[in-house]
Amino acid sequence: EPEVTQTPSHQVTQMGQEVILRCVPISNHLYFYWYRQILGQKVEFLVSFYNNEISEKSEIFDDQFSVERPDGSNFTLKIRSTKLEDSAMYFCASSEGGGLGYTFGSGTRLTVV
Amino acid sequence: KQEVTQIPAALSVPEGENLVLNCSFTDSAIYNLQWFRQDPGKGLTSLLLIQSSQREQTSGRLNASLDKSSGRSTLYIAASQPGDSATYLCAVQGGSEKLVFGKGTKLTVNP
Repeated sequence: EPEVTQTPSHQVTQMGQEVILRCVPISNHLYFYWYRQILGQKVEFLVSFYNNEISEKSEIFDDQFSVERPDGSNFTLKIRSTKLEDSAMYFCASSEGGGLGYTFGSGTRLTVV
Repeated sequence: KQEVTQIPAALSVPEGENLVLNCSFTDSAIYNLQWFRQDPGKGLTSLLLIQSSQREQTSGRLNASLDKSSGRSTLYIAASQPGDSATYLCAVQGGSEKLVFGKGTKLTVNP
């Protein structure tokens, strides 16, 4: 069964450093997403990406965050200057769109120290 | 603004029991509802997807129902097993592509 692949599985970074989280969505999917889950809290939407541009973003997705699809397979989330409160599990997901459901990756656990 | 609530927050049952997990949402204008399973520290595994025009979906021992007008869904697990122990998340997709999640029900099935 097709999978969404995320790397790395764990990342520890110092406050103020830039991090890039990487994802390979399912190849025939059209929509790509990033979500995050702070420990003990709900899974929260960050951003959706369609047709090489951001289609929707949440209030969490401020100027510190950016997304990119640098080639035909990868989808990345960059956090420019990490804060302690950015520590969370970050999930990438993809979908065909049209309400056909999501497939999530296994997540990247980001710890900012 | 869509809000999703899951009750109970935690549930502990003996092996073999049938059980029901509940999900409610405030805005009935949804495209679909999806149930996920999350093991500790792991990703989200999709269990069942119910389109807004459907009433229920079944997969093995799992059955999910949707009552869009009342803003409710239930996940029924038959003959529970210790391997079913996990957190079960309900998520709805409304007028955009994003999902809104509940906080989940943590299920423990005791041998």
